[in-house]
Amino acid sequence: AQKITQTQPGMFVQEKEAVTLDCTYDTSDQSYGLFWYKQPSSGEMIFLIYQGSYDEQNATEGRYSLNFQKARKSANLVISASQLGDSAMYFCAMREGLGYGNKLVFGAGTILRVKS
Amino acid sequence: SAVISQKPSRDICQRGTSLTIQCQVDSQVTMMFWYRQQPGQSLTLIATANQGSEATYESGFVIDKFPISRPNLTFSTLTVSNMSPEDSSIYLCSVGRDTGELFFGEGSRLTVL
Repeated sequence: AQKITQTQPGMFVQEKEAVTLDCTYDTSDQSYGLFWYKQPSSGEMIFLIYQGSYDEQNATEGRYSLNFQKARKSANLVISASQLGDSAMYFCAMREGLGYGNKLVFGAGTILRVKS
Repeated sequence: SAVISQKPSRDICQRGTSLTIQCQVDSQVTMMFWYRQQPGQSLTLIATANQGSEATYESGFVIDKFPISRPNLTFSTLTVSNMSPEDSSIYLCSVGRDTGELFFGEGSRLTVL
């Protein structure tokens, strides 16, 4: 069975500093995908970053990077140079298999607050 | 990324009524997914909708309560039937890309009184 664990219910970060949001996962599959989404108070789910299990390089998208440690089964999100607009709920998710046909299983989320 | 439009963005509904949520994608996709997010919770998959076939429902979700249509490769609807306050949630449709990413619509926030 899949399982995603986000151990930080809430995080604070000072504006312009970097922050790491933790995510660990559990799967017996060799092929899987890891995702991070941002959900502001409006409710939309904004795709941030994706990492396939066979990708050797850590995924990066602008200020977002995914610190993928396969042996430890962790997929932490690093946000550099935090901005006030980064305040939101962040969800880590996993999909078994590398195609887009399988469902995502989500973690409980981490609320990030950026302080000015 | 994909452009995914959902309607309505929010609604307040009376107990016992039904509401249909529409999801329009800017390009053809094989699969569309419907998720539910109850207040303060994470997302849960309701069903997967393929064009030309019946939707596949996850455990705990049934077609009578959440009928889904998928008339073509760019459009789907989810109906929440005979609503109760427990159905108050954000409902989101999503589509995937061959590269592996999965994108979501803006969500439909339903409040049932």
